[in-house]
Amino acid sequence: GQNIDQPTEMTATEGAIVQINCTYQTSGFNGLFWYQQHAGEAPTFLSYNVLDGLEEKGRFSSFLSRSKGYSYLLLKELQMKDSASYLCAVRRGGKLIFGQGTELSVKP
Amino acid sequence: DAGVTQSPTHLIKTRGQQVTLRCSPKSGHDTVSWYQQALGQGPQFIFQYYEEEERQRGNFPDRFSGHQFPNYSSELNVNALLLGDSALYLCASSLEGIQGGETQYFGPGTRLLVL
Repeated sequence: GQNIDQPTEMTATEGAIVQINCTYQTSGFNGLFWYQQHAGEAPTFLSYNVLDGLEEKGRFSSFLSRSKGYSYLLLKELQMKDSASYLCAVRRGGKLIFGQGTELSVKP
Repeated sequence: DAGVTQSPTHLIKTRGQQVTLRCSPKSGHDTVSWYQQALGQGPQFIFQYYEEEERQRGNFPDRFSGHQFPNYSSELNVNALLLGDSALYLCASSLEGIQGGETQYFGPGTRLLVL
């Protein structure tokens, strides 16, 4: 199975915390990535999880549960510049399978 | 440290024509993957090149072909263009064989419009 599911849109307030969820089918799983993509630009790498648990990198954290086929990206102290699409991608073999992306709008 | 570069940035073609897109990987990387991203969707994997061979391929027709050169740069060729081929074409590079080094880094993309 290829399904990677994430919410289509989310809205949050500047300074707040937002959690973006991603679920996937576990067959052939070989790591999970989160990318940020601003409109008209290329995806930029945010985080990589291959083992269960939380990976923290500044204002951004990513969590993985392999048995549940579940990950989330946590963004703290939201800034206006965080308004973007957030892409969850599962690696199977050498290729990345992407979800459709979550469009995050940060409002003042 | 040069990142992934792609050319051209934008391209307009008509149905039935052929197009070649180019990619230079990040310095030190040896693997190039190509993705197609339609508006409002996540990228879809086309194929991956390593050691000048196509190593893995997604669900794209034979009209999509590629090549990798000895310097690791790569080309994506699309023949007999269709309106539905209009998309952002992304190249991503990575370094194989090193634990934790398989993160794919994306270039700025080529936006193709087929009329």
